[in-house]
Amino acid sequence: QMTQSPSSLSASVGDRVTITCQASQDISNVLNWYQQKPGKAPKLLIYGASNLKTGVPSRFGGGGSGTDFTFTITSLQPEDSATYFCQQYDSLPYSFGQGTRLEIK
Amino acid sequence: VQLQESGPGLVKPSETLSLTCSVSNGSISSYYWNWIRQSPGKGLEWIGYVSDTGRTNYNPSLQSRASISVDTSKNQFSLKLSSVTAADTAVYYCASLRVAIGVGWFDPWGQGTLVTVSS
Repeated sequence: QMTQSPSSLSASVGDRVTITCQASQDISNVLNWYQQKPGKAPKLLIYGASNLKTGVPSRFGGGGSGTDFTFTITSLQPEDSATYFCQQYDSLPYSFGQGTRLEIK
Repeated sequence: VQLQESGPGLVKPSETLSLTCSVSNGSISSYYWNWIRQSPGKGLEWIGYVSDTGRTNYNPSLQSRASISVDTSKNQFSLKLSSVTAADTAVYYCASLRVAIGVGWFDPWGQGTLVTVSS
């Protein structure tokens, strides 16, 4: 089980934003983060808790291990308005967090 | 690699939902090929995967209703979900599972296809 928080947040351009994901058991670093925009499929941003997918802007970052993980956007841009999901690969069935809807003020 | 889902957008209750994912610009050999669905009530739910050799694994929440198969000659894999109800109404995505450095991730995804269960 993955518990993601907050479920929604609103922030301004240039702000630093942090989303957390908590696992119900120790999952080491097998945690990924995705971005989903309305009407589109999720896109991978971070894999292995902290590895940025090639081509993803460096303002996106991830950290943590064990049960507590964070996803951070260091300088929020208008195009970052989306829903963000965490996903664990530790054990079957693979599971996702409930999502965090990020709105730009 | 690009993935594209296809299949009926409307299925009647108690019938079987059938979807196909076509893989282009790459081979279906290697990797695990997954189905994931998204509904407002349940968020993102992993349904299961098939390997290029036909090995499968499913989410127990589907209570053995799901079946995923692969056709390497056509570079396609398919999902069948039996005895559907309104609760199976969702956007269905196909996705590739990539594994490296001890972790796996879904990338890329198909664009998704909405399946509505209704009479």
